[in-house]
Amino acid sequence: GAVVSQHPSWVICKSGTSVKIECRSLDFQATTMFWYRQFPKQSLMLMATSNEGSKATYEQGVEKDKFLINHASLTLSTLTVTSAHPEDSSFYICSARGQGGTDTQYFGPGTRLTVL
Amino acid sequence: QKEVEQNSGPLSVPEGAIASLNCTYSDRGSQSFFWYRQYSGKSPELIMFIYSNGDKEDGRFTAQLNKASQYVSLLIRDSQPSDSATYLCAAQARGATNKLIFGTGTLLAVQP
Repeated sequence: GAVVSQHPSWVICKSGTSVKIECRSLDFQATTMFWYRQFPKQSLMLMATSNEGSKATYEQGVEKDKFLINHASLTLSTLTVTSAHPEDSSFYICSARGQGGTDTQYFGPGTRLTVL
Repeated sequence: QKEVEQNSGPLSVPEGAIASLNCTYSDRGSQSFFWYRQYSGKSPELIMFIYSNGDKEDGRFTAQLNKASQYVSLLIRDSQPSDSATYLCAAQARGATNKLIFGTGTLLAVQP
């Protein structure tokens, strides 16, 4: 149980294009999903928290117009990196927290983004 | 001041030994604590969580929590080379989002 998937697992794009990453909870309903970014040899950096049906809450310093988050259903959240630049190249990881009061976050396998 | 602190390591232990990973946190209001394991190039996977003071055991893993000292630890018994990874400690922040505050992780290397 508590499986979270991400798609795609890796993507290479040209500078200036937009990339959409999907995060799905496969066997539970996720009231809250989190998006993280991780640079090589660094820890996880929380980018934003998304609740189903409402606007995402972004962490300080994260541009909401650049990193668009949509949490349209209890099993799907998407992160769109708009007008990507090489400095956006990173490992993007989502996590999902279920209903029923459990605080545990379950992580997806991550998406490695390379912007040329 | 970092909210969750871990020694970055590497912590090197011989195969079969007990690995002890430590973590301190600054927010006394934190109630829940989590240990995740992250292999290089992969996403974190949950090992265990702990809410109450004392020890919690799950197989070869034991989490220990001391709220008075604001200290969390993870013991790995009979360490195996496959346990070599970065171990992330996380504390749940107070507030509506219940986000996790992660430490920078401790790299564990189990020597065959």
